Amino acid sequence: AQSVTQLDSQVPVFEEAPVELRCNYSSSVSVYLFWYVQYPNQGLQLLLKYLSGSTLVKGINGFEAEFNKSQTSFHLRKPSVHISDTAEYFCAVSLYNTDKLIFGTGTRLQVFP
Amino acid sequence: DAGVIQSPRHEVTEMGQEVTLRCKPISGHNSLFWYRQTMMRGLELLIYFNNNVPIDDSGMPEDRFSAKMPNASFSTLKIQPSEPRDSAVYFCASSQTPVELFFGEGSRLTVL
Repeated sequence: AQSVTQLDSQVPVFEEAPVELRCNYSSSVSVYLFWYVQYPNQGLQLLLKYLSGSTLVKGINGFEAEFNKSQTSFHLRKPSVHISDTAEYFCAVSLYNTDKLIFGTGTRLQVFP
Repeated sequence: DAGVIQSPRHEVTEMGQEVTLRCKPISGHNSLFWYRQTMMRGLELLIYFNNNVPIDDSGMPEDRFSAKMPNASFSTLKIQPSEPRDSAVYFCASSQTPVELFFGEGSRLTVL
C-alpha cells in the first residue's frame, strides 16, 4: 500500500527566505505525486503535480518540487516566501491512473515578517 | 464554474442526532470523494464514487456512516446516530481525470 510521510509538522520561516517542505512516499509501483495547499477555513487547492516526464515540476505561486525516485521523495521548495504563503501544505500520492489519493499529515508553514 | 459546493458550512448538533452533509460536484466530473479532516488523524478518505457507483468505502469508520450518490450532480454523507468523536471538517472533492481533485470548502461538524 502507498503511504506519505511529511517529516515536519511545522516550518517557521522569515519573509523572503527560502523554504523546503519535505515529503517522502512509499510505494512498490508507479505513482502520481501532488502538493496541495490549504488556507485557513478553506478547502485544499492543487499547487503542483508530478505525473511523468521532467522530475522538476513548477506550480502556482512560485512553488516547485522535484521528484527523486531513488530517494522516494517529492520535496516542495520556494526561493523566497511571502507572508501570504502561510498555510498548511499537504503532500499526496496516488497509484498510476487511479482516483484514490492518500494524503500526508500536513506541514504548517508560518511566514514571519 | 462554481466549483464544488458543500452544505451546510457549519453544523452543530447533539449526540444521537442524524446529520446529513451534502455535496454538488463540478459539472462533468465523474469521480466524487468524501474526506474527513481532524487534528488527530489528518485527512482521511472515507469513500469515493466513480460514475455514481461507490468504488472504495474502506475508509468509512463504521455502520453509523453512509454515503449515497443518486445522480451525477449530488451526493450525501449521513451519520446516524452522531457522536462527539465525529466532530471534524468533512470535505467533498470531485475530479474529471484521475489526477486532480477539486475540493469544496468543507462542512464543519460539531457534535455536543
